[in-house]
Amino acid sequence: SQQGEEDPQALSIQEGENATMNCSYKTSINNLQWYRQNSGRGLVHLILIRSNEREKHSGRLRVTLDTSKKSSSLLITASRAADTASYFCATDRGSARQLTFGSGTQLTVLP
Amino acid sequence: GAGVSQSPSNKVTEKGKDVELRCDPISGHTALYWYRQRLGQGLEFLIYFQGNSAPDKSGLPSDRFSAERTGESVSTLTIQRTQQEDSAVYLCASSTRDRNIQYFGAGTRLSVL
Repeated sequence: SQQGEEDPQALSIQEGENATMNCSYKTSINNLQWYRQNSGRGLVHLILIRSNEREKHSGRLRVTLDTSKKSSSLLITASRAADTASYFCATDRGSARQLTFGSGTQLTVLP
Repeated sequence: GAGVSQSPSNKVTEKGKDVELRCDPISGHTALYWYRQRLGQGLEFLIYFQGNSAPDKSGLPSDRFSAERTGESVSTLTIQRTQQEDSAVYLCASSTRDRNIQYFGAGTRLSVL
């Protein structure tokens, strides 16, 4: 079963604008990751944030984690048409290694 | 190879037939995972292998589903007596023992007619 939900389900923006996606989850976690999926096939890891971290940056990506609210956000700055994809958050907890995925946000960046 | 390889990329089968899906993980990755993704949805965990330990089968939806892996090499996911609700993309991922960043294959799109 899926751990939580992401919102919005779909987001359409102009190239150069910032895109913000949110993820909520239900149980305590070890780590939260964000993945990108193009064309409904393989996923690519973007960034990992540990439960004791609050914010992390990687290039144009900024991730925040609020464990008290069980939520995370992914900010993509200065978006490009190539950022068009589905974005998923995924969590792992306890001793389990498998990831529990959210339902995803479909991002469309218009040129 | 450089990444996780899955075959076939597409599989069309008739209801009631058995199918076998294959996954070649990244060399040196001890952990291997199978997930299922229905159209427009997130991924559902199916099964997890770690080295020679007993696999975690807690995500398998029914006894029609099974998977094998020999050591730290290739894995096969078998679905017996396929049903239309089995239609989905089946994704395989691998990771190292100490870091849970998963590397995904391109998936097998299964269509059960």
